Amino acid sequence: AQSVTQLDSQVPVFEEAPVELRCNYSSSVSVYLFWYVQYPNQGLQLLLKYLSGSTLVKGINGFEAEFNKSQTSFHLRKPSVHISDTAEYFCAVSEYSSASKIIFGSGTRLSIRP
Amino acid sequence: NAGVMQNPRHLVRRRGQEARLRCSPMKGHSHVYWYRQLPEEGLKFMVYLQKENIIDESGMPKERFSAEFPKEGPSILRIQQVVRGDSAAYFCASSPPSNSGYGYTFGSGTRLTVV
Repeated sequence: AQSVTQLDSQVPVFEEAPVELRCNYSSSVSVYLFWYVQYPNQGLQLLLKYLSGSTLVKGINGFEAEFNKSQTSFHLRKPSVHISDTAEYFCAVSEYSSASKIIFGSGTRLSIRP
Repeated sequence: NAGVMQNPRHLVRRRGQEARLRCSPMKGHSHVYWYRQLPEEGLKFMVYLQKENIIDESGMPKERFSAEFPKEGPSILRIQQVVRGDSAAYFCASSPPSNSGYGYTFGSGTRLTVV
């Protein structure tokens, strides 16, 4: 069975600073990887996903993530954050299967300071 | 093209009552997933359904909880005899028939409060 670990429960950064949100996964088979964002009192929105091919994946709102198979990581990065990026970010994994569910990490709360 | 619709957005129930949460998937999506989010926690998988079939219910509590996705109409998550610990946000997501790698589209959730 697969699992996801988000090591940082909270990440405070100053506006316009770079940020990295860490994610490690565990699985015995090949996986798809996702990052979702949740704004207060809303559902989850897909930021980006890795299926195959290039290990650097670009998503919406200027975010990108890099798949590292040897380190089983999928860290999320943004070179310069804005106040509007304040949200909860969830890393998620799904096994290669048409009947596989997505498993989510516990989330990282990104708070942006002016 | 409406997204995933969940209703009600907020639901208040007294202990011992029943709660019914509804989810209409996106047009063309035939897979539905229910997740529960407790305060200050991540999303926990509950159940995965296709039309008239439960595919994976490994995350469903053994008692009081049930889910269905009938041939016609929305998917229903039903909680009988609610307790305070059931207070949470319940999210529904859907994906198309060939969901491999697609990711999900989420609804806005139903926030259940048990008083």
